[in-house]
Parts: sequence; structure tokens; C-alpha cells
Amino acid sequence: GQQVMQIPQYQHVQEGEDFTTYCNSSTTLSNIQWYKQRPGGHPVFLIQLVKSGEVKKQKRLTFQFGEAKKNSSLHITATQTTDVGTYFCAGEMGNFNKFYFGSGTKLNVKP
Amino acid sequence: SQTIHQWPATLVQPVGSPLSLECTVEGTSNPNLYWYRQAAGRGLQLLFYSVGIGQISSEVPQNLSASRPQDRQFILSSKKLLLSDSGFYLCAWRLAGGGRTQYFGPGTRLLVL
Repeated sequence: GQQVMQIPQYQHVQEGEDFTTYCNSSTTLSNIQWYKQRPGGHPVFLIQLVKSGEVKKQKRLTFQFGEAKKNSSLHITATQTTDVGTYFCAGEMGNFNKFYFGSGTKLNVKP
Repeated sequence: SQTIHQWPATLVQPVGSPLSLECTVEGTSNPNLYWYRQAAGRGLQLLFYSVGIGQISSEVPQNLSASRPQDRQFILSSKKLLLSDSGFYLCAWRLAGGGRTQYFGPGTRLLVL
């Protein structure tokens, strides 16, 4: 069964509002990655989190990795229309060279 | 710099026909290679991954197969396509030995009719 759950499936926001997507794993992750896929495009790597409780920021994006390394979140402050796309988390379990992707959160930003 | 190629970009095939999708990587050696499938509006499902020539690990039972005849070539095949094989097929590579990023190719959109 699916090992990495991601919510919400869709999010519609007004430009300037904040956005958050959450990922949860049934097992402890060695690391978690976040990707963005624009409509019609392929996933593009955003960031990787490795340490328990890690927080990383990229401009208006804040990524968190839970203390138990089973959950993660991506928060976007003051969304812009350029943020439109689907955001995926991908968890790696152990060192098995494979990732389990969440189902993605599709973000739509109204100007 | 490294680049990853996939072809064809789009493909329309009848049910029961064979399939061959190709992925090649340039600018790196001995990469880990991955095939994913993305159904419309859905997440990415890992189909196969490979850590070396001739080494293929399958994640889900299906009528698809993968091969890695050369270090930087990864092929996805089927002898007889099913309607449920329609989707967006993505190849990705990653540095061996704990490299972080997976780099995705442009993908192949497959429609089985």
C-alpha cells in the first residue's frame, strides 16, 4: 500500500495567501525530498531534508522535517501566481536507492 | 553538465501492441536510474530502478519490464499494452552512493486506445 500520504489533494488560494502541504509516512524516513511539477512539465527538485526536526527556507518557502522523521511540511508565504503547480514529497526509507512519492498537492493561485 | 533524454515525447498505441520507451543520460557515470509512471492528476509510482548494468529491481507486478543494456541507457518495454498502461512515464537519474537529487527527464505521454 501507499507508504507516503500527502494532503490536501488540491488547494485554491488567492494571491497573497499562505499555503501548506503535509506529508506523513507510516515508517521512519532516512530523508525526504520535495519536488515541484508545473502543468505539463516534469518534477523539479526543490530540497532535501535529512536531520530530525530540520527546517530549511528558500525565499518564501519553508520546509520542515518532523522530530520522528515520519512527517514533513512545505509552507509558502504570500503565494504568487508563479507558485502554481503540483508539489510532491518523496521519502527514502533506509538506503535502498528508491523513493516513495506522495500523491501531490495541486496548488492554484488566483490573481 | 548532465542531461537526460527520453523519447518519444508522446505515443498513441493500440491495446495489445508492444512498447519500447528509451531513456539516456549524459555527463555522468554509473547513475542510479528510475522509471516512474504518473496517471493523470496523480502522484508518481515507482516502477523500476537500477543501480548498474543489467541490474533491475521491480516495484510493482505488471506487464511492463525494464532493461539496462548500457550504463546510461534505461529501457521500458511491454509485449502487449493494456488500457491501464496509459500515463506519463518519467525516467530519472541520481548519483550513486547517496547523491541527493533525482533529475527527471521530460517524460513520455502514452495513450493506449
